[in-house]
Amino acid sequence: DAGVTQSPTHLIKTRGQQVTLRCSPKSGHDTVSWYQQALGQGPQFIFQYYEEEERQRGNFPDRFSGHQFPNYSSELNVNALLLGDSALYLCASSFRGLANEKLFFGSGTQLSVL
Amino acid sequence: DQQVKQNSPSLSVQEGRISILNCDYTNSMFDYFLWYKKYPAEGPTFLISISSIKDKNEDGRFTVFLNKSAKHLSLHIVPSQPGDSAVYFCAASVGAGSYQLTFGKGTKLSVIP
Repeated sequence: DAGVTQSPTHLIKTRGQQVTLRCSPKSGHDTVSWYQQALGQGPQFIFQYYEEEERQRGNFPDRFSGHQFPNYSSELNVNALLLGDSALYLCASSFRGLANEKLFFGSGTQLSVL
Repeated sequence: DQQVKQNSPSLSVQEGRISILNCDYTNSMFDYFLWYKKYPAEGPTFLISISSIKDKNEDGRFTVFLNKSAKHLSLHIVPSQPGDSAVYFCAASVGAGSYQLTFGKGTKLSVIP
């Protein structure tokens, strides 16, 4: 049973560019959340998707957007990249209605903005 | 403004001894608390949680204590094993069903054989 898979594992972009990160949830899960973990910090909640809609959003600008597909996979898009967007981006999946301990995290995508 | 604080960036403990990791929070609305463990190149893995209606929760070698009046929680690992060496994150949420977890910066635990 595959867990949460994220692609790519590493990515290098330059300022002003746009990036798309991808996430496939664990089998049986229908909800995807995205977190940003800057160096030396804990993960910070970006947003959560369920039934192809954004349900909750953290304190992130509109440059951060997402999408969920009918197969429950998800994309995170970041426009007009800034140096400060360099971070590990974590995807977490769960089955809606279960408690937080059912959040399963992927290994993340390391984004470097030069 | 950091709502969940882990003031010790690192902790070293001898194998077989107790490891105590601390966490403080400032948001009184938080009513559900979790600990996650993270190994290098892996995503965080859920370890143990506690609701604000309890003051203690135990799972094998891991126990979490919650002091609501002090807005403080701690994770005890007894006995500590080398495989416990990892970064431990404290997280909090408003409601057990929320996907919006607020994490601390983490404490790197090193268990010395």
